[in-house]
Amino acid sequence: DTGVSQDPRHKITKRGQNVTFRCDPISEHNRLYWYRQTLGQGPEFLTYFQNEAQLEKSRLLSDRFSAERPKGSFSTLEIQRTEQGDSAMYLCASSLVGHNSPLHFGNGTRLTVT
Amino acid sequence: DQQVKQNSPSLSVQEGRISILNCDYTNSMFDYFLWYKKYPAEGPTFLISISSIKDKNEDGRFTVFLNKSAKHLSLHIVPSQPGDSAVYFCAAFVHANFGNEKLTFGTGTRLTIIP
Repeated sequence: DTGVSQDPRHKITKRGQNVTFRCDPISEHNRLYWYRQTLGQGPEFLTYFQNEAQLEKSRLLSDRFSAERPKGSFSTLEIQRTEQGDSAMYLCASSLVGHNSPLHFGNGTRLTVT
Repeated sequence: DQQVKQNSPSLSVQEGRISILNCDYTNSMFDYFLWYKKYPAEGPTFLISISSIKDKNEDGRFTVFLNKSAKHLSLHIVPSQPGDSAVYFCAAFVHANFGNEKLTFGTGTRLTIIP
């Protein structure tokens, strides 16, 4: 089963450090999304790509956050100068264009900032 | 501003009975709705969806009902099984924004099926 794959599953870092997460979507999917989920909340949209183009960014995505999808395949999400408030589950999802194709989520990367 | 609300954080149902999970939304632009199911340590998994042109969609044991005038939808699971124990998220988006199925999620309802 080649579902959405995220790496690492868990990341513990000290405040002020930079972290990078990777997402490998389902191979034929041309859309890729990043969401963030904190305790007791539903996933919140951060940004999305269609192929290699980043088409929308949420206000939640501060200047410390950057996402890339250089060849329209895998994506990375980098957080610079991490803060304790960045602690969350970071979820990646992918889908096909149009026709209400549901998002397929990975199992997430849990970030803990100490 | 919580545009999608799930007011029941938890629900317990006897095995074999009907589970009813509720969801309310405030954004009248939403025209497509989905339910996702999430097990611990896993990502959300798509369960069932409904377009605003319908008021009911059924898939096996799962039925979603939409009441547009009340801005309310519900998920019915019957009969409930132990494997249905999970957190259920209601989600919505504006289909007219073709090109971005950006989902807005509710806060989730934890369903526990009692054997």
